[in-house]
Amino acid sequence: TQLLEQSPQFLSIQEGENLTVYCNSSSVFSSLQWYRQEPGEGPVLLVTVVTGGEVKKLKRLTFQFGDARKDSSLHITAAQPGDTGLYLCAGAYGNTGKLIFGQGTTLQVKP
Amino acid sequence: NAGVMQNPRHLVRRRGQEARLRCSPMKGHSHVYWYRQLPEEGLKFMVYLQKENIIDESGMPKERFSAEFPKEGPSILRIQQVVRGDSAAYFCASSPGGGHQPQHFGDGTRLSIL
Repeated sequence: TQLLEQSPQFLSIQEGENLTVYCNSSSVFSSLQWYRQEPGEGPVLLVTVVTGGEVKKLKRLTFQFGDARKDSSLHITAAQPGDTGLYLCAGAYGNTGKLIFGQGTTLQVKP
Repeated sequence: NAGVMQNPRHLVRRRGQEARLRCSPMKGHSHVYWYRQLPEEGLKFMVYLQKENIIDESGMPKERFSAEFPKEGPSILRIQQVVRGDSAAYFCASSPGGGHQPQHFGDGTRLSIL
C-alpha cells in the first residue's frame, strides 16, 4: 500500500514569512502534483513535476521533486494572507495515473 | 471556461435509496477518475475509467458501488442502497491521458444520507 506523508498538517504564520511543506513516501512516483483546495470546492492544480530533481516556480511558490522521485516540497516566499488555504500533494503511481493524496497542510497567513 | 462539471452539487438521500453522481470531463479529456473525501479524511481514489472501459477499480467498495463512462454522455458513479457511511464529498477529475498527465478536478458532489 502506497502512503504519502505530508507535513506539517497545520501551519500558522505572519505575513511576510517563508514556509516549506513536505511530502514523503517510501515508494517511487511516476509524477507528483500539488493542489490547493478552498472549502466547498474541488482541488485546483498548481503544478505537476515529473523528472527527478525538477524544480518549478510559480510566482512566490517553488516546487521541488526529489532526485529519487520519492519526495517533494513546496516553498512559499513572503507569504501573504491570500495564500491561506489547504495544500495537497498527490503522487501518481504506475501507468494508470491514479493519485495517492497526502493528508494536506492547512496554512493560515495572518496579516 | 469548460472545466470539469459535476452535478448535482448537493444530494440528499435516505438510507436504502440510490444515488447517481454525474461528471462531464473537460473538453478533449477522455480519462476520468473518481475520488471520495470522507469527513476529516483525505481524498481517496475510487475508480479510473476511459470511454466505455473501467481501467482500475481497486478503490471501489466491492458492493453497492458502480461506475461507468459511456461513449456518449457523462461518467456516472452509482451508489445503491445508500448507508450513513456513504456521506462524503465525491470528486471527479479528468485528464487528456493516463500516467503522469495532470488531473483537473470538479467542485464535487456533497452526498448526505439521512
